Amino acid sequence: AQSVAQPEDQVNVAEGNPLTVKCTYSVSGNPYLFWYVQYPNRGLQFLLKYITGDNLVKGSYGFEAEFNKSQTSFHLKKPSALVSDSALYFCAVRPGFNTDKLIFGTGTRLQVFP
Amino acid sequence: EPEVTQTPSHQVTQMGQEVILRCVPISNHLYFYWYRQILGQKVEFLVSFYNNEISEKSEIFDDQFSVERPDGSNFTLKIRSTKLEDSAMYFCASSEFGGPGVAFFGQGTRLTVV
Repeated sequence: AQSVAQPEDQVNVAEGNPLTVKCTYSVSGNPYLFWYVQYPNRGLQFLLKYITGDNLVKGSYGFEAEFNKSQTSFHLKKPSALVSDSALYFCAVRPGFNTDKLIFGTGTRLQVFP
Repeated sequence: EPEVTQTPSHQVTQMGQEVILRCVPISNHLYFYWYRQILGQKVEFLVSFYNNEISEKSEIFDDQFSVERPDGSNFTLKIRSTKLEDSAMYFCASSEFGGPGVAFFGQGTRLTVV
């Protein structure tokens, strides 16, 4: 079955430190990969995507993600966390060109402490 | 910046009643979606809509659900006879194109069935 896993329910990091939010996926074919962020009482905001090409993709607010095909992972990273980065982060995959649906992970709550 | 807007933000309804959730997608987008998020759970795909017809639907999207694009700007989700388990946050999304296209989400409608 096609799925996305975010193994950590919560990630805690001190402001100024690097952060990583993990995501692995299990789909057939060549997926399109996305990260979204959700702030309280808000919708999902697009951060970045991987379609093809360079394995390191850069997105909004200084975030980046590294696609690793052999490990089927797409971890979200940021070199220096801000308190304002505290939110719920969702990894999502669109399994291939024959479908437009997104399959979401369960979400990881990022807490950045001052 | 263009955004997807949803109304109402909150809807409380009695079990068995019909509800219509409304969405205004981004104006030049061609693909429209509904997702839902039951409290504490992952975001789940319901349906995608393109060229005035459903292009894909999940097993959740049974005969109680329907979607419509009644005019050039609105996109609606109707639940004919609500059940308690329909209580969730419902997100509308739109994208300019399918495949690798980015889905932009509205802020959601919280539906509570009592």
